[in-house]
Amino acid sequence: GAVVSQHPSWVICKSGTSVKIECRSLDFQATTMFWYRQFPKQSLMLMATSNEGSKATYEQGVEKDKFLINHASLTLSTLTVTSAHPEDSSFYICSAPTGGARYSTDTQYFGPGTRLTVL
Amino acid sequence: AQSVAQPEDQVNVAEGNPLTVKCTYSVSGNPYLFWYVQYPNRGLQFLLKYITGDNLVKGSYGFEAEFNKSQTSFHLKKPSALVSDSALYFCAVRAPYGNNRLAFGKGNQVVVIP
Repeated sequence: GAVVSQHPSWVICKSGTSVKIECRSLDFQATTMFWYRQFPKQSLMLMATSNEGSKATYEQGVEKDKFLINHASLTLSTLTVTSAHPEDSSFYICSAPTGGARYSTDTQYFGPGTRLTVL
Repeated sequence: AQSVAQPEDQVNVAEGNPLTVKCTYSVSGNPYLFWYVQYPNRGLQFLLKYITGDNLVKGSYGFEAEFNKSQTSFHLKKPSALVSDSALYFCAVRAPYGNNRLAFGKGNQVVVIP
């Protein structure tokens, strides 16, 4: 299957700092990527849809100014958690569908996730 | 909007026994159905999907799933479970139109007992 990478795999930061998480599609182009948040032993919560060359689409209740998304190329999307606080501590996972999400039949491939801990 | 129900929190099975993880869905139109597996502190790995055609879909690591339209179900099965199959399993559904979002179930923890 297709490969999606994330960096870093884990990060610990102080409250008030900003953290950037990268999501890359390694062997295919991804015009669309998705960012999820997952709490322990819970399902994935879709935060936003990242679109190459245009603004991200955020889900209801997700703060746009807090979770900045940039999809600068066909293989890279970044999520920046600005002014992070302990309640932002979570497991963040990105995914990218092959075919650029043009087709509902496309499979989404997931990155390995980033564990964010805010002290 | 589409949704998925995974009724059990945890599935315990003895090694070598058949494994079944249940999933029912709700969607307008023909569903596109997916199963993923997640190991601790890892992302989701794709197992299999149903788009159209044969109701029995075969996937990775010996897993298969059966699409049942009348029961709106897509149960995941494996004839003989391995201890290494212990993980969190997610069922997901996507509508055949719209924004291509996946709706996930809450997940099922599978514990295979040696």
